Amino acid sequence: EPEVTQTPSHQVTQMGQEVILRCVPISNHLYFYWYRQILGQKVEFLVSFYNNEISEKSEIFDDQFSVERPDGSNFTLKIRSTKLEDSAMYFCASRRRQGYGEQFFGPGTRLTVL
Amino acid sequence: AQKITQTQPGMFVQEKEAVTLDCTYDTSDPSYGLFWYKQPSSGEMIFLIYQGSYDQQNATEGRYSLNFQKARKSANLVISASQLGDSAMYFCAMREGPDTGNQFYFGTGTSLTVIP
Repeated sequence: EPEVTQTPSHQVTQMGQEVILRCVPISNHLYFYWYRQILGQKVEFLVSFYNNEISEKSEIFDDQFSVERPDGSNFTLKIRSTKLEDSAMYFCASRRRQGYGEQFFGPGTRLTVL
Repeated sequence: AQKITQTQPGMFVQEKEAVTLDCTYDTSDPSYGLFWYKQPSSGEMIFLIYQGSYDQQNATEGRYSLNFQKARKSANLVISASQLGDSAMYFCAMREGPDTGNQFYFGTGTSLTVIP
């Protein structure tokens, strides 16, 4: 069964460094999402992406964040200058354009900012 | 106001018994979708069940059913015949609007522990 994959599974970085989190959505899906979950808290929406542009973003998704679909299969989240409070699990999700409404989530990348 | 409210931070259930996890939602949009996801200790998010706002019947998927009460804006998850592997966090989520790329709003989750 096709699934969303994410790499790396765990990333440790120093405060102020740039990180890129990578996702490969399910191949026939057209909508892509990033969410984050701070330890012990609820899942929070960051951004949605469709047709090579951002369709919706939350207040969390400020100028230090960016997303890209560089090659038609990967979907990346870049954090330009990481802060301690960026430490969280980051989930990528994708969904088909029509029909059934669920979003398929990847396994997540745990980001630790020191 | 919170879009999704889960009032049970933790629940315990005996193995083979049924359990209901509560979820209420808040929206003024007539078109929305309601979802339940399971998050085991390994961290991944596993889709369980979906209910559309216009669906006439309650959704069922194996041992999972969704008790959808539209007037009360509740979408409780019922797990029948609980198994030890059901121990996990359970999140209720909602998408507002038509079937497009709209974001999901998640609740704070309920931690379910199944007791042997």
